[in-house]
Parts: sequence; structure tokens; C-alpha cells
Amino acid sequence: DGGITQSPKYLFRKEGQNVTLSCEQNLNHDAMYWYRQDPGQGLRLIYYSQIVNDFQKGDIAEGYSVSREKKESFPLTVTSAQKNPTAFYLCASSLAGGPRETQYFGPGTRLLVL
Amino acid sequence: DQQVKQNSPSLSVQEGRISILNCDYTNSMFDYFLWYKKYPAEGPTFLISISSIKDKNEDGRFTVFLNKSAKHLSLHIVPSQPGDSAVYFCAAMEYGNKLVFGAGTILRVKS
Repeated sequence: DGGITQSPKYLFRKEGQNVTLSCEQNLNHDAMYWYRQDPGQGLRLIYYSQIVNDFQKGDIAEGYSVSREKKESFPLTVTSAQKNPTAFYLCASSLAGGPRETQYFGPGTRLLVL
Repeated sequence: DQQVKQNSPSLSVQEGRISILNCDYTNSMFDYFLWYKKYPAEGPTFLISISSIKDKNEDGRFTVFLNKSAKHLSLHIVPSQPGDSAVYFCAAMEYGNKLVFGAGTILRVKS
């Protein structure tokens, strides 16, 4: 049963704390993406990766970091530098990151600040 | 500045009638457009797409219309069903570039 899994479903962050959101896919896709969704706004791209050990910043990368050590995994770290981290985070993947490719999304992680 | 706009935050339609969701864009370099559907607590799923060389694409109950001169596209759902109740995101792509999403429209289909 192929797909994208994100964990945890809900995550709480204390002030000054770094937290890491997990994203795993077993679709054998090369490209992976992280988006952030805020109320009343569309999904905004944080980071994307088209190949292992390589990734690029999206529109709102400040305060976030990623790694892509394995093809199937693309974890996102929300650092203490991200001043407004409360949001719904969505991970996606596509076959090779090329144009016209459909992106497949995971179920999302909701991050809340305590 | 939002390049993709869905000006209606929500839409309510009676079961069996037509649902029309609208999307406007500002970037004339966009040449590929998609609609995604999202249920609560789930990620968006791809619904239908259209290339800028076409003005209509149909898939079952779903049809997307593209008016390039007006920079406008719409999604028609006929007939609407209660299971269609979800958030619908319009997205656009400039060749070789990333997807740009609208804010979404909540569709409620009443039975």
C-alpha cells in the first residue's frame, strides 16, 4: 500500500525549542516537498528536494531546515528562529520533480506552540 | 501578493445541482493548472488538471474550464454529491517551476 506518511499528527513546541516533523514515502519518488498551510492562505513551499543529498529553498524557508539522506525520507526541522511556527505542515512527493507532475500529499502535521 | 486567488472562501450547493468553483491568476507565464481536493485531517489529493493549450478538460463529473484572456479558471462538478464536500485548492505552475496554490474554497453539498 504505497503512500506518504507524516508523523506525528499533532506536535507541540515550547518556546526556543527545535522540533522535527517526519515525512516518509514508499512511492519510489525522487522529489519531495514541504508546504505550510495557514488559515485563509494557500499552501506555501518551504523546501523541496529533487534528489538525495540535495535540496532547495522555497518561498518561506527562513526558520526551517531539512535533510535528504535517504530517498524515502525528508524530515523538516522547525527551529527556534521560526517566530510563528503554528500551522499545518504538508509533505508531498512527485516522481522526478519535473513539470506537469502530480504531487501526492501526506495527511499533514499540525504544529502548535505552547 | 497572491498570484492565485480563490475569492470565494465557501460555497453551498444542493445535492444534484452544479457546483462552480472559481480561480483567478495574475501571472501570465502560468501554463498548467490543477485542482486539488482536501478532506479534513487528510492531505490534498489531485483531482483534475488543464494545460494552457486547452480551454476545457473533462473527467467524469468534473470539468475544468480555462479562459486565458481573463486569467480565470473554473471547476464544474455535475451533479454534486454530499461526498464532494471538501476544500478545493486551485494551483498553477510556470513551466519548470513550482506550484502556486490558492487559499482554497470550502464546498458544502447539502442532501
